[in-house]
Amino acid sequence: QQPVQSPQAVILREGEDAVINCSSSKALYSVHWYRQKHGEAPVFLMILLKGGEQKGHDKISASFNEKKQQSSLYLTASQLSYSGTYFCGTEHLLQGAQKLVFGQGTRLTINP
Amino acid sequence: GAVVSQHPSWVICKSGTSVKIECRSLDFQATTMFWYRQFPKQSLMLMATSNEGSKATYEQGVEKDKFLINHASLTLSTLTVTSAHPEDSSFYICSAKAYRGMNTEAFFGQGTRLTVV
Repeated sequence: QQPVQSPQAVILREGEDAVINCSSSKALYSVHWYRQKHGEAPVFLMILLKGGEQKGHDKISASFNEKKQQSSLYLTASQLSYSGTYFCGTEHLLQGAQKLVFGQGTRLTINP
Repeated sequence: GAVVSQHPSWVICKSGTSVKIECRSLDFQATTMFWYRQFPKQSLMLMATSNEGSKATYEQGVEKDKFLINHASLTLSTLTVTSAHPEDSSFYICSAKAYRGMNTEAFFGQGTRLTVV
């Protein structure tokens, strides 16, 4: 059950803001956000567990709506280092096995 | 954060041979490990989930006999691609969780780029 991300790609100038959305037709147990740079492994950004939760670090924050079907990642005053592909992931427990599945990704390009 | 080491970083092999990829958690015990496959500019596709000491749970469409996963210890999981073919060429990434709980982050290895010629 793969979450759906939007937009697929964003191009910004340094200092601009971006919002990346992640949604599901069913309530999610949790939402994980990761950033991956080309040729590298994904890096964990944050995890949200509770409906209505909001959290952040520096200028990157995320929210999880009350129904736990949508999460948004906010990047404010973007820096060049924010460039990369952002993935949201969600966990399922199926037949006793944990699964962590990811959306299709949002490619963020920050230009000077 | 926790460190997950994956080796090798890249491998080129001949068609028909087998390749083993290792995923180690260096500073924590990984009760659960995930193996993903990623094609260029695409998402991470979950292949299987492995728990220490038990058989891996494979996703639909993933051949168990072709992608052998062993999670023999709390710090090591291996993925063996058997009788590799050019279509198996891809970026393979492992990730590990320190706890069985559903509310903890997963840490990723550096990935292995497999090229089958």
